[in-house]
Amino acid sequence: TQTVSQSDAHVTVFEGDSVELRCNYSYGGSIYLSWYIQHHGRGLQFLLKYYSGNPVVQGVNGFEAEFSKSDSSFHLRKASVHWSDSAVYFCAVSAFAQGLTFGLGTRVSVFP
Amino acid sequence: GGIITQTPKFLIGQEGQKLTLKCQQNFNHDTMYWYRQDSGKGLRLIYYSITENDLQKGDLSEGYDASREKKSSFSLTVTSAQKNEMAVFLCASTQGDEQYFGPGTRLTVL
Repeated sequence: TQTVSQSDAHVTVFEGDSVELRCNYSYGGSIYLSWYIQHHGRGLQFLLKYYSGNPVVQGVNGFEAEFSKSDSSFHLRKASVHWSDSAVYFCAVSAFAQGLTFGLGTRVSVFP
Repeated sequence: GGIITQTPKFLIGQEGQKLTLKCQQNFNHDTMYWYRQDSGKGLRLIYYSITENDLQKGDLSEGYDASREKKSSFSLTVTSAQKNEMAVFLCASTQGDEQYFGPGTRLTVL
C-alpha cells in the first residue's frame, strides 16, 4: 500500500520569498513521484516528476523537487514565489500505469 | 496539444438516483482514470482503464461503475447517489507517468 503525507495543510508566504512544500511517502517498490498544482476551480496540472537518476528535478515555472531515498521524501521548492503561485499543491506516488496516490495537498497563499 | 473534456460541469441529483459522468480525451492516451476529490481528503482513485474495454478498481470503487466504450472515452456511473454528497470528480489520462486532468464535474446530491 502506498501512502503520501504532506505535513503542511496551509503555507503563507510573501511574493519573492522562497517556499518548500514537504512530502513524505511510503512504498516498497519502484515508483514515480510527482507534484501537481491545482488553481482554484481548475483541474490538476503536472509540475514535475522523478523516477530515477539525478535526485533534483526541475519543473515548470521555476519549481524543483529533491528526492531522498533515506528520508522517503520528495520536497518541492521554489526560490522566489509569485502571486500566481497561489494554489493547492499535491504530491503523488504511483507504480507505472497505475493510478496516483495523492497526499491531502498543501494550500499556498502568496501575499504581495 | 490535447484536451480532456468532462460533462456535465455541474451535476445535481436526488438521493438514490443513478448518475453518469462522461470524460473524453483527444491525446490518444491508452490509460484513463477517475478520481474523487473531497474537501480535506485529497483525491482518491475510483477506477482506471489501461485500454478499451478494460476496467481496474481503485481504492474507492464501491458504489460506482465505469465503462470504457472506446479509447477516447471513459464514463463513470454513481449507482445510487447518497444524500448530502458533494464532491468533484476528476478524469485523467496518461501515456506514461504524467497524468493530464480534466476540469472536473462537481456533484451535489439533494
